[in-house]
Amino acid sequence: QQQVRQSPQSLTVWEGETAILNCSYENSAFDYFPWYQQFPGEGPALLISILSVSDKKEDGRFTIFFNKREKKLSLHIADSQPGDSATYFCAASDMGYKLTFGTGTSLLVDP
Amino acid sequence: GGIITQTPKFLIGQEGQKLTLKCQQNFNHDTMYWYRQDSGKGLRLIYYSITENDLQKGDLSEGYDASREKKSSFSLTVTSAQKNEMAVFLCASSMGLGGEQYFGPGTRLTVL
Repeated sequence: QQQVRQSPQSLTVWEGETAILNCSYENSAFDYFPWYQQFPGEGPALLISILSVSDKKEDGRFTIFFNKREKKLSLHIADSQPGDSATYFCAASDMGYKLTFGTGTSLLVDP
Repeated sequence: GGIITQTPKFLIGQEGQKLTLKCQQNFNHDTMYWYRQDSGKGLRLIYYSITENDLQKGDLSEGYDASREKKSSFSLTVTSAQKNEMAVFLCASSMGLGGEQYFGPGTRLTVL
């Protein structure tokens, strides 16, 4: 069963728009949620992460919003740039245990 | 900083063949991982190793063996290659289990 779900599977936005990528999870024990960014031909790289004690985490144009009650989180990419075109993976773990990855959202930013 | 090196970058084998993928890291990380990435299915954990000579099965370990003889290296063996397992195999490492994972560029496996 898929413990971490992502939507949409693919997303296209115009340059300058805010892209919103969604993630939900089932395991209440999960308390660490990293987002990884992957470009074609490369391995994923950590973009931003949040702990379940927080409801928001910002890093430049990237913001995670976290709703523990609903077991949902979202990654907002403000002022999207063509260089942000990549696949984004939501992952989850309880601290000290292995990560579970979602199936990814493929983002295309049209110039 | 550090780097994860995976060899080979592309691996072509015959159905039923035994194939080995190698991974080296110079982060001095304790924990290493092997993932399989299929298009549209995200990353699925095959094996991980908490420390040298330790091996733990992931969700997708059937049909694979792993070996961690040194802290810096982690090998994955496909015991009998099948056409339905053509995918990208990603190696990663982290300071501890559950910590930030750093990934290599991957090995793309093609089975003829």
